[in-house]
Amino acid sequence: NAGVTQTPKFQVLKTGQSMTLQCAQDMNHEYMSWYRQDPGMGLRLIHYSVGAGITDQGEVPNGYNVSRSTTEDFPLRLLSAAPSQTSVYFCASSPPGTKNIQYFGAGTRLSVL
Amino acid sequence: GENVEQHPSTLSVQEGDSAVIKCTYSDSASNYFPWYKQELGKGPQLIIDIRSNVGEKKDQRIAVTLNKTAKHFSLHITETQPEDSAVYFCAYSGAGSYQLTFGKGTKLSVIP
Repeated sequence: NAGVTQTPKFQVLKTGQSMTLQCAQDMNHEYMSWYRQDPGMGLRLIHYSVGAGITDQGEVPNGYNVSRSTTEDFPLRLLSAAPSQTSVYFCASSPPGTKNIQYFGAGTRLSVL
Repeated sequence: GENVEQHPSTLSVQEGDSAVIKCTYSDSASNYFPWYKQELGKGPQLIIDIRSNVGEKKDQRIAVTLNKTAKHFSLHITETQPEDSAVYFCAYSGAGSYQLTFGKGTKLSVIP
């Protein structure tokens, strides 16, 4: 049981490049979500999913795409990276039946130059 | 939109003293109030939570109190230790909702 695993831990992109941040959990959690964390801003919800095949937008979805083809994986895609997307990204998941209780991965630190 | 205000943004205490962090929310339908601790370079970790049918909950040296009338909830840490130094986030969510709204965080420093 590895919990919530995020890869990579660090990434540097040039403006306009694309990339996918990976998130996987091996706990059979239905709910998964992506947050970004910026200095002095707390955590802001980007996208979330209540199960395989279902995704929805959070507070700050612009510039990001997600998909949920399996229960285990919830990748976050940046199609054309911008400097404003420089941030630390966290993936979280919730056990079945608990809804609100969320467990976080260790994060991906992304810099867009 | 709905938000939560967290105070103070930074807090320094002497080892052994108590620390209190307060959050005020606006959504009267909120019914779940967790607190997360984030150590440097790590993801947030749930340390305690409370639901709206409870006024106070304790777990060893930490406690959370909830005042639904005033729409605020607080984290209390007693007998602070250097390993309590971290950033603490409050959050809340509404009935039946998966989505958490987070405060902006409090950086707690415990001085040995």
